[in-house]
Amino acid sequence: KQEVTQIPAALSVPEGENLVLNCSFTDSAIYNLQWFRQDPGKGLTSLLLIQSSQREQTSGRLNASLDKSSGRSTLYIAASQPGDSATYLCAVRPDGNKLVFGAGTILRVKS
Amino acid sequence: DVKVTQSSRYLVKRTGEKVFLECVQDMDHENMFWYRQDPGLGLRLIYFSYDVKMKEKGDIPEGYSVSREKKERFSLILESASTNQTSMYLCASSAGALNYGYTFGSGTRLTVV
Repeated sequence: KQEVTQIPAALSVPEGENLVLNCSFTDSAIYNLQWFRQDPGKGLTSLLLIQSSQREQTSGRLNASLDKSSGRSTLYIAASQPGDSATYLCAVRPDGNKLVFGAGTILRVKS
Repeated sequence: DVKVTQSSRYLVKRTGEKVFLECVQDMDHENMFWYRQDPGLGLRLIYFSYDVKMKEKGDIPEGYSVSREKKERFSLILESASTNQTSMYLCASSAGALNYGYTFGSGTRLTVV
């Protein structure tokens, strides 16, 4: 059974720092991996989608990498801002139509 | 951009009421999903649908049913609401091809009193 783990569970950093969020999954047989952002009381916003054949994807200050063979992904946030404060969720698509989610990393960027 | 719209942001219902949560997507996606999200339990899949009038149970279908009469609309039904169904409900959609990502709605916070 596919399991997704996100480390750390929570992170507090000063504004301007570069930071890395980690995601690991137990079964490397995935179609893709998706990073989401969730603000308190809101829905999920897709940040980056990485296909299993890709190594990384970039969007603005965000960069996500994927090492499928080792079951790992990282989300790199450059020059963090208070507006980046949110919960970040990692999800893998192992088969069919179901996503498997990690528990998330709660990020707080202090001004 | 794909838009997934959930009809209510906040809903308060009484125990025993029949509750309908509506979700509409505007990009002709084949797949639609209903999740609930609770602190400490994460996102759990309730039901999903991969075509009109088709549905499949997710991980926690008990106490819920769904309806998909049109491709763009997926409804979650609580037949007789109970307090343990107080939760955040999230709808999502994706295209049929497996290399597509999911798009989520803004969520419905349901409180059953």
